[in-house]
Amino acid sequence: SYELTQPPSVSVSPGQTARITCSADALPRQYAYWYQQKPGQAPTVVIYKDSERPSGIPERFSGSTSGTTATLTISGVQAEDEADYYCQSADNSGTYWAFGGGTKLTVL
Amino acid sequence: QVQLQESGPGLVKTSETLSLKCNVSGVSINTYFWSWIRQSPGKGLEWIGYVYFSGSGSTNYNPSLKSRVTISGDTSKSQFSLKVNSVTAADTAIYYCARLRAGGFDYWGQGILVTVSS
Repeated sequence: SYELTQPPSVSVSPGQTARITCSADALPRQYAYWYQQKPGQAPTVVIYKDSERPSGIPERFSGSTSGTTATLTISGVQAEDEADYYCQSADNSGTYWAFGGGTKLTVL
Repeated sequence: QVQLQESGPGLVKTSETLSLKCNVSGVSINTYFWSWIRQSPGKGLEWIGYVYFSGSGSTNYNPSLKSRVTISGDTSKSQFSLKVNSVTAADTAIYYCARLRAGGFDYWGQGILVTVSS
C-alpha cells in the first residue's frame, strides 16, 4: 500500500511560522493536497496541486514540494489555525489515493 | 455552487450491509470522478473508492476494501452510492462523499456517522 508520513504534532506560538511536512514516494510525480479539519467538521482544502491556494484561503497558507517531501507552511499563525492537517496524493500509478496520518497543529 | 450530502442509516448490525447515498447538486454528476472516504473515530482518513459515469463508466477501489465494497450511482437522480458488505466494528466511521479532481478532493459532504453494532 502507498503511505504518506507526517509528524503527529506541531506546536507554535501565535505569529510564528508553522511548517508541516509530508513524505511519500510518489510526490515527485503526483500533486500534493493539504486539508484542514477542525473538530466536528469535514476536511477542507487549503492547498491543491502542491502550491495553489483556493479562493477564500488566507495568504498565510502556502505549499511547496521538493523531491519526495511536501511542506505546508502557515506564516503568522493565528489561534483559528489550530486544527488537524492532512496531506494527500495519488500513488505513482495514479489509481490509488492515500492520506497522511494527520498533524495536530497546536497554537500555544 | 457544488454541494454534496450523504444520507443513510446511522446504525448497522454486524455482518450486514452498510448502504449510503450521496446527493450531488450544483454540477453535472457525469463530468467528474466521485469518491467515498471514511474516518474512524479519532483516526485518520481512508480513501474507499471512486465512480466515474462518463462514457462506459468506471470504478476503482482501495485494495484493502475491494472485496466488500461497491460504488454505483443513478445519474438521473444526481446520486451515487456506497455499499459495504459483511461489516464489523472496524467499519464504524464517519463516511464522507467527495469530488475527485486533478488528484485531490475539492468538495466534500458534511459526513455521516455510521456505527456498526450487534
